[in-house]
Amino acid sequence: AAGVIQSPRHLIKEKRETATLKCYPIPRHDTVYWYQQGPGQDPQFLISFYEKMQSDKGSIPDRFSAQQFSDYHSELNMSSLELGDSALYFCASSRAGQGNQPQHFGDGTRLSIL
Amino acid sequence: AQSVSQHNHHVILSEAASLELGCNYSYGGTVNLFWYVQYPGQHLQLLLKYFSGDPLVKGIKGFEAEFIKSKFSFNLRKPSVQWSDTAEYFCAVNAGGFKTIFGAGTRLFVKA
Repeated sequence: AAGVIQSPRHLIKEKRETATLKCYPIPRHDTVYWYQQGPGQDPQFLISFYEKMQSDKGSIPDRFSAQQFSDYHSELNMSSLELGDSALYFCASSRAGQGNQPQHFGDGTRLSIL
Repeated sequence: AQSVSQHNHHVILSEAASLELGCNYSYGGTVNLFWYVQYPGQHLQLLLKYFSGDPLVKGIKGFEAEFIKSKFSFNLRKPSVQWSDTAEYFCAVNAGGFKTIFGAGTRLFVKA
């Protein structure tokens, strides 16, 4: 069965650079979530989108922005990267945009800031 | 604000031992509850979920969890663990919105 696809799998950037992470949800899923998981930490919710509109916002820095496109894929744009942004960024998707639908997670993008 | 508390950060068991991982949440209304597992180097996978009905929920790989509303708890159990259960386990709570709150995780190491 198709799963959530994230690209790239690994990304290395330097401080003050920008990065764009992409997420392709499971077909027919209309909701996308972004999480940041620092080394040895639990996933922290960043932001979510339902039907291409931002549905909820968590601890996403102002330097980050995200959007969901007409084909439901989502992109997380990160600017002025800092060392502390090094983490695993998970995308998850679900259907119907309701809390009682489990989220299916992608493999994550490992972002390393040098 | 909603929060999820997992009691143990690290658990070490021998194979065939029984497992119980604690999870408590703070929210007074209706919640949806989840346990996710993250194997080393892999993404989060759903183990089981509770929405309503029978408070004893059975998941994949022999795991089960019991929702005790009066205790705001959703503990994960497995009668006999295997070496392959070595992973990190996350309890998660959703109170009906789009945001799911995760616990800090419990790292389980099973000795062969």
